[in-house]
Amino acid sequence: AQTVTQSQPEMSVQEAETVTLSCTYDTSESDYYLFWYKQPPSRQMILVIRQEAYKQQNATENRFSVNFQKAAKSFSLKISDSQLGDAAMYFCAYRSGGNSGGSNYKLTFGKGTLLTVNP
Amino acid sequence: ETGVTQTPRHLVMGMTNKKSLKCEQHLGHNAMYWYKQSAKKPLELMFVYSLEERVENNSVPSRFSPECPNSSHLFLHLHTLQPEDSALYLCASSQGEASWTIEQFFGPGTRLTVL
Repeated sequence: AQTVTQSQPEMSVQEAETVTLSCTYDTSESDYYLFWYKQPPSRQMILVIRQEAYKQQNATENRFSVNFQKAAKSFSLKISDSQLGDAAMYFCAYRSGGNSGGSNYKLTFGKGTLLTVNP
Repeated sequence: ETGVTQTPRHLVMGMTNKKSLKCEQHLGHNAMYWYKQSAKKPLELMFVYSLEERVENNSVPSRFSPECPNSSHLFLHLHTLQPEDSALYLCASSQGEASWTIEQFFGPGTRLTVL
């Protein structure tokens, strides 16, 4: 079974600075997807960024980028130029890359990292 | 309405009550999910429906009963719940199996308190 570990329960960053959130995972699969989701205080979970395991290039979405280290099974999220609106709980999630069977729909989540942005 | 909506947003119920949570997706997706989010625990997948057929039941107690009458609506019927069932219940949807449509879109959740 896959597991996802976020070792930082809480992080804080000054506005306009950069912060990196850590995520490690355990899997025996070679084909999978990794995600970072953001859950602001309003509680609507939204997708921040995704990474396909077969792609060596790290995904980037504006101020958000990942450092994907497949061999190390590490998937960290870097937030540049942090803004007050970035304050939220961030979840790392894993999904199998297979396309058959109900279990392939399953997202396995970490426990989350609560990010505080200080003005 | 756009995206994934859930009603009610907050629910307080006694252990002998019967209530239902409703989820509706306006994205044209064909897979829907129920998750349970408890404090300091990872999100737990409860049920998955694909094309209105249940494809996964993640060892959930029978006091939780899902229903998917069509691809846009998902219900979670609750009866004789326990206080430890108090949590945020999240609904999500996705397009389906194809790898290029794998993102799950979440609703705002229902905060359930069982007294």
